[in-house]
Amino acid sequence: KAGVTQTPRYLIKTRGQQVTLSCSPISGHRSVSWYQQTPGQGLQFLFEYFSETQRNKGNFPGRFSGRQFSNSRSEMNVSTLELGDSALYLCASSFSTYEQYFGPGTRLTVT
Amino acid sequence: GIQVEQSPPDLILQEGANSTLRCNFSDSVNNLQWFHQNPWGQLINLFYIPSGTKQNGRLSATTVATERYSLLYISSSQTTDSGVYFCAVGGTSGSRLTFGEGTQLTVNP
Repeated sequence: KAGVTQTPRYLIKTRGQQVTLSCSPISGHRSVSWYQQTPGQGLQFLFEYFSETQRNKGNFPGRFSGRQFSNSRSEMNVSTLELGDSALYLCASSFSTYEQYFGPGTRLTVT
Repeated sequence: GIQVEQSPPDLILQEGANSTLRCNFSDSVNNLQWFHQNPWGQLINLFYIPSGTKQNGRLSATTVATERYSLLYISSSQTTDSGVYFCAVGGTSGSRLTFGEGTQLTVNP
């Protein structure tokens, strides 16, 4: 079975721009979660989608949003980028609510 | 929310040595996972272990849910074991993982 895939792997954007990241879960997994990893804050939960509905949300501003499609693929969007949004964004999928499998991540640099 | 503490924050070993990494958590959990983060940033699943004991080769893990801690054992460490090890837990909303700050393991040849 193919693992979780994320695109793009690397991205450089300018302050004020917006960005969309994509995540394709393991086949058959319906839950997709997003996490942000920074040196200062560590790994933090952004949100989770299940069957196209946001089921859980972390403590991030409204500039961070996401969605899930009927094939379980998910996208997250960050609008009006700030320097502090530079991070590794990780996506995870799970079949049940519990054990999660992570993708390789998208490394976003905001200049 | 749940608090997760990992210790030690840093660990330096010689190849062949054994080590124990600890994860303490502040509340009941429905999910506990151990990950190894590779140099490219991907989190590699080591164990899904909300309770009990599991072994996989040189690695084993034990979670004592009633006492709110988990241990990861690495035996006969190799240089390829180097990296950051994370413990992550999920509560009643098991899909939302809270991560510890990790243990940076360095194994020297």
